[in-house]
Amino acid sequence: QLQLQESGPGLVKPSETLSLTCTVSGGSISSSSSYWGWIRQPPGKGLEWIGTIFYTGGTYYNPSLNSRVTISVDTSRNQFSLKLRSVTAADTAVYYCVRQGVNLFTPSWFDPWGQGTLVTVSS
Amino acid sequence: QSVLTQPPSVSAAPGQKVTISCSGSSSNFGDNHVSWYQQLPGTAPKLLIYENNKRPSGIPDRFSGSKSGTSATLGITGLQTGDEADYYCGTWDTSLSVGVFGGGTKLTVL
Repeated sequence: QLQLQESGPGLVKPSETLSLTCTVSGGSISSSSSYWGWIRQPPGKGLEWIGTIFYTGGTYYNPSLNSRVTISVDTSRNQFSLKLRSVTAADTAVYYCVRQGVNLFTPSWFDPWGQGTLVTVSS
Repeated sequence: QSVLTQPPSVSAAPGQKVTISCSGSSSNFGDNHVSWYQQLPGTAPKLLIYENNKRPSGIPDRFSGSKSGTSATLGITGLQTGDEADYYCGTWDTSLSVGVFGGGTKLTVL
């Protein structure tokens, strides 16, 4: 059974870089039938898609975050990572890593999800 | 403001049926598939419906999905108190290559 687990600091200072890693177990990150993504949810609010990556390194980013986001993949460790630069309090959220299914060679539904990790931006 | 539009809340009595709507535009819905997610309090979202109307294994057939044009609907029959959750619709906009979600609908089972 495919499982995803986020890891990284729970507290980041304003203007610094938020860095999270997602470890995939129970399956290969190099599968051609999967994309891998990050989604966040500010406290009490809805879901926001951050970005998606394929194991070959191809990426898609939310235009509203594009200038600050980098998603990368490490196939040797079966992990993918998120970096969000110049964070502010507005970036405080639960961050989820997810697998995305594939439909006609493009990313599709999100399943499964990691348990999520709360990242607070505060000095 | 979310790209897809959902009602903020819906409610119904146990045993009854409820529907949750999700509307978009021709640019994001178009020919794209819609998926639905259930988020129980304090937990990560879980996939309920994918490709408009397909249920992953383990999802009871009380949950159903449909899509027509720029609108999609999630239906839940035989409501149970355990169904109280936030429900989100989502899609992959193939023209912009971005993921988008609705703002979420809080279901209360009275």
